[in-house]
Amino acid sequence: EIVLTQSPGTLSLSPGERATLSCRASQSVHGNYVAWFQQKPGQAPRLLISGASTRATGIPDRFSGSGSGTDFTFTITRLEPEDFTVYYCQQNGNLPITFGQGTRLEIK
Amino acid sequence: EMQLVESGGGLVQPGGSLRLSCAASGFTFSDNYMYWFRQAPGKGLEWVGRCKTKAEGYSAEYAASVKGRFTISRDDSKNSLVLQMNSLKTEDTAIYYCVRDNWGMDVWGQGTSVTVSS
Repeated sequence: EIVLTQSPGTLSLSPGERATLSCRASQSVHGNYVAWFQQKPGQAPRLLISGASTRATGIPDRFSGSGSGTDFTFTITRLEPEDFTVYYCQQNGNLPITFGQGTRLEIK
Repeated sequence: EMQLVESGGGLVQPGGSLRLSCAASGFTFSDNYMYWFRQAPGKGLEWVGRCKTKAEGYSAEYAASVKGRFTISRDDSKNSLVLQMNSLKTEDTAIYYCVRDNWGMDVWGQGTSVTVSS
């Protein structure tokens, strides 16, 4: 099973700043099939990025992803108030599909 | 509008069974692998299992934590996905989500809550 470790656990920033989230895999992810999800309280997760760097339909270009192998990065440029919530990385290149423990983005 | 709507959640005693359903609309259901994920209260996301398409024999795969107890099936004629859960344990308590995979898990249902408690 691939273990995904997200860092930091909590990130405190201000609106307008840039957020950089990390996701490290315990072994190489097949095909770099890493996705990033946003989850707001009481809601289902929302797909932002798939295949490490492809934005999902309708996702603003201030959200981006990069990385390969075992190290992946998710970036939000110019934070908006609605961006302050929890983000998860997921690998779906190998079964079982696994998620990181999440990064909470909070307003500083 | 693409939509997934889960139903069938509720309160069940340990050792009991529950059948969750997921109704799909707004896309060609038969084209996609379909998944179940779950999220225990205050916890992260966990993969439960998936059902492949007709072309791959509707084969299903499961997380180790549910294998042998849960069964996923689909009825493409009804645009429906089912999760049959048997021998339920308290640790199965969670919100269960039905999810479409279309080169990314891009459509999620609103979730249905399952509580396993005596």
